[in-house]
Amino acid sequence: QVRLVESGGGVVQPGRSLRVSCAASGFTFNSYGMHWVRQAPGKGLEWVAVIWYDGSKKYYADSVKGRFTISRDNSKNTVYLQMNSLRVEDTAVYYCSRDARYGDCLDYWGQGTLVTVSS
Amino acid sequence: QSVLTQPPSVSAAPGQKVTISCSGSSSNIGNNSVSWYQQLPQTAPKLLIYENNKRPSGIPDRFSGSKSGTSATLGITGLQTGDEADYYCGAWDSSLSAGVFGTGTKVTVL
Repeated sequence: QVRLVESGGGVVQPGRSLRVSCAASGFTFNSYGMHWVRQAPGKGLEWVAVIWYDGSKKYYADSVKGRFTISRDNSKNTVYLQMNSLRVEDTAVYYCSRDARYGDCLDYWGQGTLVTVSS
Repeated sequence: QSVLTQPPSVSAAPGQKVTISCSGSSSNIGNNSVSWYQQLPQTAPKLLIYENNKRPSGIPDRFSGSKSGTSATLGITGLQTGDEADYYCGAWDSSLSAGVFGTGTKVTVL
């Protein structure tokens, strides 16, 4: 069965960096695009970034462009989100999700990892 | 901030029907597929509807979706207490080259 497991969350000071990871299993990882979506405490979903199945294309939300970088290692079935110059407003649960390859939807989601940016 | 607009909350008695609207623009809903997600309390979102009106395997036919122009609608019939959750619409925005979600709607079963 499809499984997505995020890790790497924690508490970090404003201006610092953090990398979160998402380990995938149960499907042919190198055939699917992958997304990161975040949810601030008590708030709605915010799309963050997507990476194509082969890493050839990457797109970002304006709120993170220039600060966050999405990448993947298909040999390790893992997608990453490198977060630099973190701000208090980046505090959220970060979910990775699989692009369904049809209808621009996200068909499987991980359980999320909490990133707290605080001094 | 969200590009797609939803009502903050809807409610109905058990067994009744609710509808949730999602309003966007030509760059997202108008020219791309809409999906819907259910987020039960303290859990990750779950795909409910894709390609405007299709249900993934395992999603009961009490859930339905439709799209007209730059708006979409999620319908839930035979409302159950287990349907109490937050619901989000989503789409790709071709102008932003970004994914976008709705503001979210909380469904309460009275």
